[in-house]
Amino acid sequence: EVVLTQSPATLSLSPGERATLSCRASQSVSSQLAWYQQKPGQAPSLLVYDASDRATGIPARFSGSGSGTDFTLTISSLEPEDSAVYYCQQSRHWPVTFGQGTRLEI
Amino acid sequence: EVQLVESGGDLIQPGGSLRLSCAASGFTFSNYAMTWVRQAPGMGLEWVSSVSDNGGNTDYADSVKGRFTISRDNSKNTLYLQMNSLRGEDTAVYYCAKYLYGSGSFFDYWGQGTLVTVSS
Repeated sequence: EVVLTQSPATLSLSPGERATLSCRASQSVSSQLAWYQQKPGQAPSLLVYDASDRATGIPARFSGSGSGTDFTLTISSLEPEDSAVYYCQQSRHWPVTFGQGTRLEI
Repeated sequence: EVQLVESGGDLIQPGGSLRLSCAASGFTFSNYAMTWVRQAPGMGLEWVSSVSDNGGNTDYADSVKGRFTISRDNSKNTLYLQMNSLRGEDTAVYYCAKYLYGSGSFFDYWGQGTLVTVSS
């Protein structure tokens, strides 16, 4: 199965700063990658799919990029409510797999 | 508004069985594939099973194949997960989620989850 490795494990930044989260796949997943945000005690929510398309209602400060094996989620100007764990997910190869998550602390 | 509401989670002994349900509303349920994803305490996300829009095609993670059965009743807008021969490693919050239309296998709406604890 495709292993997704996210880095860093934890990221601590201040409001207004820019966050860059990485997801590396063990083999090419083309552009079939998504990013999810999970706040404590809540279900995950879809942020970005197909590597760079924002899901409905997602603010423009969230952007995704990359293809093949290297992907990035960028949050351009952090707000306190962005504190969460962020997961990447690939759907190019069976089974669907998720990364281990990056915890973002604001 | 799309809503997915899971139920059926419980404390169950190893080897036991449990059926989870997911009641859907706010969208045309019969038009979308659905999935179950689980999350062990303090851990990441693991895909468990998926079913096509008409229920004719199902898929399972190797870790649950032969023990879990996914199904749906489109007349009741409800998704199910029958879990048999439960093990300690099945302990998790189980989320149902809706497939995003027209994309790869991505999930745009999730329920709040239901906790399954397998322990004696």
